[in-house]
Amino acid sequence: QSALTQPPSASGSPGQSVTISCTGTSSDVGGYNYVSWYQQHPGKAPKLIIYEVTKRPSGVPDRFSGSKSGNTASLTVSGLQAEDEADYYCSSYAGNNIFVFGIGTKVTVL
Amino acid sequence: EVQLVESGGGLVQPGGSLRLSCAASGFTFSTYWMSWVRQAPGKGLEWVANMKQDGSEKYYVDSVNGRFTISRDNTKNSVYLEMNSLRAEDTAVYFCARLGVPVGFDYWGQGTLVTVSS
Repeated sequence: QSALTQPPSASGSPGQSVTISCTGTSSDVGGYNYVSWYQQHPGKAPKLIIYEVTKRPSGVPDRFSGSKSGNTASLTVSGLQAEDEADYYCSSYAGNNIFVFGIGTKVTVL
Repeated sequence: EVQLVESGGGLVQPGGSLRLSCAASGFTFSTYWMSWVRQAPGKGLEWVANMKQDGSEKYYVDSVNGRFTISRDNTKNSVYLEMNSLRAEDTAVYFCARLGVPVGFDYWGQGTLVTVSS
């Protein structure tokens, strides 16, 4: 049950794109298409923005997209906006009805 | 509107116990797995426990297994987390979350702070 690896920070100017990686193992990220991503603003609860690797819940802008290759999943935020400045966490199903989160990435809009 | 409201957090001494509650509304509670996720101050999210719809299956992160117990009452639309033998490293905001199908923690409460300190 080790945390998934994410870069601690990422940044981009308004309108640019930023991509965050989430690296696990064949027992979690690589083994299941159950990777989800969460956005968390300071002092707030996390919000689901991507589930099952690539799918967006209703109401989440299509600027947010997800992908996966092998043991690494990625979240891309295109057309960065000021309100996208937040912490982002990935999560993966790890078998046996347990889940693991990534360590989190702070996205800064320059 | 789906709502999850946690309560029961507070200050407790090391070795002590605390019971968190999460009241759910706006959806058919008995048809969803429910989870607890915690976040230590300034740190990332950590999945803590899951419970199946009928309470027949429970799963825990290794660090709390044997000390914490998740339970639910489908007649009260509530899920609970009984925490025993608390340690300083259990200090965190504890979030109640719905485990949706398709898979993802699709709704979260606002969290309740648990501080373990003498």
